[in-house]
Amino acid sequence: DAGVIQSPRHEVTEMGQEVTLRCKPISGHDYLFWYRQTMMRGLELLIYFNNNVPIDDSGMPEDRFSAKMPNASFSTLKIQPSEPRDSAVYFCASRYDRGVGNTIYFGEGSWLTVV
Amino acid sequence: GESVGLHLPTLSVQEGDNSIINCAYSNSASDYFIWYKQESGKGPQFIIDIRSNMDKRQGQRVTVLLNKTVKHLSLQIAATQPGDSAVYFCAENNDGGGADGLTFGKGTHLIIQP
Repeated sequence: DAGVIQSPRHEVTEMGQEVTLRCKPISGHDYLFWYRQTMMRGLELLIYFNNNVPIDDSGMPEDRFSAKMPNASFSTLKIQPSEPRDSAVYFCASRYDRGVGNTIYFGEGSWLTVV
Repeated sequence: GESVGLHLPTLSVQEGDNSIINCAYSNSASDYFIWYKQESGKGPQFIIDIRSNMDKRQGQRVTVLLNKTVKHLSLQIAATQPGDSAVYFCAENNDGGGADGLTFGKGTHLIIQP
């Protein structure tokens, strides 16, 4: 299995620019999650989807952040406009819908630096 | 809101010794717990999980203990090796509450001394 695939792995952008992060979940998984990791706040859940439908976006910091999942094999997380405080590692993760027992598998992350 | 936390940010052990990493959780409704290992520059990697109807589960060189009375979780790594150096996170999930994501602790950095 290829695992969760994220792109880009690293991005450096200027403040005010649009950033788009991409994710391909593990084939057959029903849930897709976007997490953000910083030294100060650790791993935070931003949003998750079930069968391509956004279920909970309460973790999205503000309106500058948006996420879509147009089909079962692709999701995007967009930041527009980006700010320096958005610098973090953004992880995409996925899992099967199997009731109790929520082993979530993570991608390698997208390392974002906004200058 | 309720969250999972870790007691120690850094743990240093000698190669070959056993390691114990601790985690406290505060959501008494949590019914599923996972330990993840994160190496530098990589995503969190699943190590072992345990459901709330169990108090111990063993894997290869790793054991997870769950004490629901005091809401405490621990990860034991036997005969630590240099490759065990990483940050270890505990995570909890409350399936019954419909929270489909995991809540993570801040992490413990395990350092293996030669």
